[in-house]
Amino acid sequence: EIVLTQSPGTQSSFPGERATLSCRASQSVNGDYLAWYQQRPGQAPRLLIYGAFRRATGIPDKFRGSGSGTDFTLTINRLESEDFAIYYCQYYGSSPQTFGQGTKVEIK
Amino acid sequence: ARLVESGGGLVQPGGSLRLSCSGFEFAFSSHHMHWVRQTPGKGLEYVSGIVIRGDNRIYSDSVKGRFTVSRDNYRNILDLQMSNLRVEDTALYHCVREEVGNWKPFDLWGQGTLVTVSS
Repeated sequence: EIVLTQSPGTQSSFPGERATLSCRASQSVNGDYLAWYQQRPGQAPRLLIYGAFRRATGIPDKFRGSGSGTDFTLTINRLESEDFAIYYCQYYGSSPQTFGQGTKVEIK
Repeated sequence: ARLVESGGGLVQPGGSLRLSCSGFEFAFSSHHMHWVRQTPGKGLEYVSGIVIRGDNRIYSDSVKGRFTVSRDNYRNILDLQMSNLRVEDTALYHCVREEVGNWKPFDLWGQGTLVTVSS
């Protein structure tokens, strides 16, 4: 089973700054099956990025996914209040699918 | 499109519970469906999934042999029968839709139903 490790556990940033979140896989994976989700307080997760870099419908281009092999990154530019949330990566190319433990982006 | 879960509650260790999820305003029978649970300490954990026709099911090792997933494409319902429940099964259980196709991301999530296993 592929294990995804996200870092940092918590990212403290000021509004307007950029946040860079990492997702590392325990073995090389196909980036076509790497996704990122955002979960705001009190809400269900929502799909942000799939295929490592493709934005889901309605997701603004301030969210950028990148990476390959074992190392993937979610970059959030110009942080706004609604971006302060928990972000999870997921690998959906094998069964069962796996999630990282999440990175919380909080206001500094 | 939305997913609405029900059936959560408080149950004693060793007990059983049946969760249901209703799909609205989309072609339920065109999507593989899944259950993902969430706890404050462990984040998101994949639980189980079922393909469109219901003839292939997936379970995480932590629930295999205790949970059974099923679906009714006529009533647009996804079920999760949980038995021999353990304290560590306590979580918010989300019903999740996979995008149309195979090996796709999860594009629609329900708000979840809370299961508490405690004596």
